[in-house]
Amino acid sequence: EAQVTQNPRYLITVTGKKLTVTCSQNMNHEYMSWYRQDPGLGLRQIYYSMNVEVTDKGDVPEGYKVSRKEKRNFPLILESPSPNQTSLYFCASSDYDRRYGYTFGSGTRLTVV
Amino acid sequence: GEDVEQSLFLSVREGDSSVINCTYTDSSSTYLYWYKQEPGAGLQLLTYIFSNMDMKQDQRLTVLLNKKDKHLSLRIADTQTGDSAIYFCAEIEGNTPLVFGKGTRLSVIA
Repeated sequence: EAQVTQNPRYLITVTGKKLTVTCSQNMNHEYMSWYRQDPGLGLRQIYYSMNVEVTDKGDVPEGYKVSRKEKRNFPLILESPSPNQTSLYFCASSDYDRRYGYTFGSGTRLTVV
Repeated sequence: GEDVEQSLFLSVREGDSSVINCTYTDSSSTYLYWYKQEPGAGLQLLTYIFSNMDMKQDQRLTVLLNKKDKHLSLRIADTQTGDSAIYFCAEIEGNTPLVFGKGTRLSVIA
């Protein structure tokens, strides 16, 4: 089944403790992206990647890192999480053309206390 | 930059038609999408339309695109309680990232 898999689904952590949210897709998509969803703000892009070893900042990249060492994986790294990064995070992927839209993962609900 | 606007709430009775509206600012938008998000779930692509189209129909869903007014709409015929969700309009132009509206929460009253 074609899908984007994120882990974990839920995570509660403390301020300053480094964490990684994994994202993997099995559709051989070139394009991958991370979004965060917050009430009243909709979905905002954090980082995206057009292909292996190519990453670019989205609208809200501060406090996040990403890497794209392999085509299928696009982990989101929070080196020193803060409470304002408490949010619902989505990973998405698409073929290079993107005309048929993105496939989204099921989301990771992160709480930073 | 690009901006996509939607009304935040819509309430309809079961069996009626729902029309969710969206306006966008980028006249170069190439592809436009409607996504559905059910409670506790990710975003599911409902349908898409290319900028060279005016209308697309897929079972109960009808998408209308008015490029002159930069207006996109999604009509759901015979709305059911299972259609209750948040609906996001989104657009892409060239190599720019997918830009989402803030979403319209559709409530279906039985």
